[in-house]
Amino acid sequence: DVKVTQSSRYLVKRTGEKVFLECVQDMDHENMFWYRQDPGLGLRLIYFSYDVKMKEKGDIPEGYSVSREKKERFSLILESASTNQTSMYLCASSFIRIKHRANYGYTFGSGTRLTVV
Amino acid sequence: DAKTTQPPSMDCAEGRAANLPCNHSTISGNEYVYWYRQIHSQGPQYIIHGLKNNETNEMASLIITEDRKSSTLILPHATLRDTAVYYCIVLRRDTGNQFYFGTGTSLTVIP
Repeated sequence: DVKVTQSSRYLVKRTGEKVFLECVQDMDHENMFWYRQDPGLGLRLIYFSYDVKMKEKGDIPEGYSVSREKKERFSLILESASTNQTSMYLCASSFIRIKHRANYGYTFGSGTRLTVV
Repeated sequence: DAKTTQPPSMDCAEGRAANLPCNHSTISGNEYVYWYRQIHSQGPQYIIHGLKNNETNEMASLIITEDRKSSTLILPHATLRDTAVYYCIVLRRDTGNQFYFGTGTSLTVIP
């Protein structure tokens, strides 16, 4: 079964720590995305990548960076974690171009619930 | 990408059809309508998508109006496990396939 795997389900970090959230997909998808989800705000796009070593800012990139050294892996980095970055983080992937008559929507990971104390 | 508007919450009796509406009045010709749902503490799950024809799969049916400015997701026989937040999204498939989620509709299926 194809899937997107996020390395941690729950994470607790201290203010000021550097935090790495890892995401791996096994579908050979070009696109990968990082969202955060907060009550009442829905899912907000942080960063996305449409190719290896490529990255684009989403709606709320401040305080975050990303790394995509390999096609299957997309990492979200919190350079200096703050309490307002406590949230659910969701990784997703998708095809970038039409290839077949298939679903081109996203496949999501199960999420990482990060608490910064 | 076109914006979507959904009611914030709905209830549905178990065993009855759940009809979830979505307005996307600024949709353009090459934008698809996608529906996802998110059960508490899980990642969003794909349900169905369409361009202009009605679609049906094992999970749901999607009815898109002729002018494509609105659509309805139908869960034909809602169960308690269908309680979730349902997101309606429009997506251009010839670009980077970026989904912009709204706040969705929280569906509660009542026993």
